[in-house]
Amino acid sequence: KAGVTQTPRYLIKTRGQQVTLSCSPISGHRSVSWYQQTPGQGLQFLFEYFSETQRNKGNFPGRFSGRQFSNSRSEMNVSTLELGDSALYLCASSTGVPNEKLFFGSGTQLSVL
Amino acid sequence: AQSVAQPEDQVNVAEGNPLTVKCTYSVSGNPYLFWYVQYPNRGLQFLLKYITGDNLVKGSYGFEAEFNKSQTSFHLKKPSALVSDSALYFCAVDRGGADGLTFGKGTHLIIQP
Repeated sequence: KAGVTQTPRYLIKTRGQQVTLSCSPISGHRSVSWYQQTPGQGLQFLFEYFSETQRNKGNFPGRFSGRQFSNSRSEMNVSTLELGDSALYLCASSTGVPNEKLFFGSGTQLSVL
Repeated sequence: AQSVAQPEDQVNVAEGNPLTVKCTYSVSGNPYLFWYVQYPNRGLQFLLKYITGDNLVKGSYGFEAEFNKSQTSFHLKKPSALVSDSALYFCAVDRGGADGLTFGKGTHLIIQP
């Protein structure tokens, strides 16, 4: 079974631009969660989508948004990029049953210059 | 609010010796506790979880964790360390609400040959 796939692997953007990251979950998984990982703040929860609906949301500004498609693939968008948005963005999938283990992708490393 | 503390940034252990990576948590209600491991340039991999029942939980790669309610701890252990266990380890808590997984800052485990 293929794992969680995130594209692109690396991104370099400049301040003020916007970016879209993509995540393809494991086949059959209906839940996709997004996390931001930085050296200073560690891993922080962004949001979770289940069956095309945002089910949970972390404490991030509205510049961070996402969506999920009918095939469970998910995209995350960050608008008006700031230097502090530089991070590894991790996507995780699961069947959506509460407290089930998550399967993580390798992440997208975003650098904002 | 829920939180997780991993008091050690780094743990050094000689190969073949037992290892312990510490984790304490704070959450209202029943905690759902997890350990994940991250290898360089990779996403997180699930090791084990505690939901309810036996306080000693066995997981992948010979790891186990002991849940201690009175000390609000969930330490990760392994009887005999391998060099290949060297990685970044994260403890996480989820109370099944809207906060997603809350991760600790992570502990670098270094196994010396």
